[in-house]
Amino acid sequence: DSGVTQTPKHLITATGQRVTLRCSPRSGDLSVYWYQQSLDQGLQFLIQYYNGEERAKGNILERFSAQQFPDLHSELNLSSLELGDSALYFCASSVEDFSTGELFFGEGSRLTVL
Amino acid sequence: GQQVMQIPQYQHVQEGEDFTTYCNSSTTLSNIQWYKQRPGGHPVFLIQLVKSGEVKKQKRLTFQFGEAKKNSSLHITATQTTDVGTYFCAGPGRDDKIIFGKGTRLHILP
Repeated sequence: DSGVTQTPKHLITATGQRVTLRCSPRSGDLSVYWYQQSLDQGLQFLIQYYNGEERAKGNILERFSAQQFPDLHSELNLSSLELGDSALYFCASSVEDFSTGELFFGEGSRLTVL
Repeated sequence: GQQVMQIPQYQHVQEGEDFTTYCNSSTTLSNIQWYKQRPGGHPVFLIQLVKSGEVKKQKRLTFQFGEAKKNSSLHITATQTTDVGTYFCAGPGRDDKIIFGKGTRLHILP
């Protein structure tokens, strides 16, 4: 158990819909990272938050948005969903920044868009 | 753009054989991390290398960071079925983006 909690674990929805994925970082971790993993693909970095503020941005689509709340949990919002958005979405957390130590990954949220 | 390339993409080895995966960056990395993802699981941190030419060992796993800090390798001696999974390297890129390689998927043949 990494201490990072992601909900929901599985989500099936239709094209055009909007979903919200939630992540609770490990106790004490200030940084939250979101990654997308498609079938047979690596981990695509989407976005990082540190203590409530956006820290770094990867190849995140404009249809996607995220935020980190004062209690440090984070939400990833995916809108106008397309079939290609079907993937496993991981949240990870760390004490500070990536460069200072390991990332702790949650178990992921598997999104299926039909 | 900045990339982290991992080779090979897939590797099948007989149980007991050695295995090596290589990670190459187009730019110098301040550090590199390695993660393992079991089938159906989530990535789990293995190690972080920071110094040029650094070598670290964890039982049967040996990790190296190149002198130029642009490449790294993970070597597993005498593989076991528990080594099955995908091994990722990751490093901080420009603009603080975290870049993961596509991973090397290791299959162990009994």
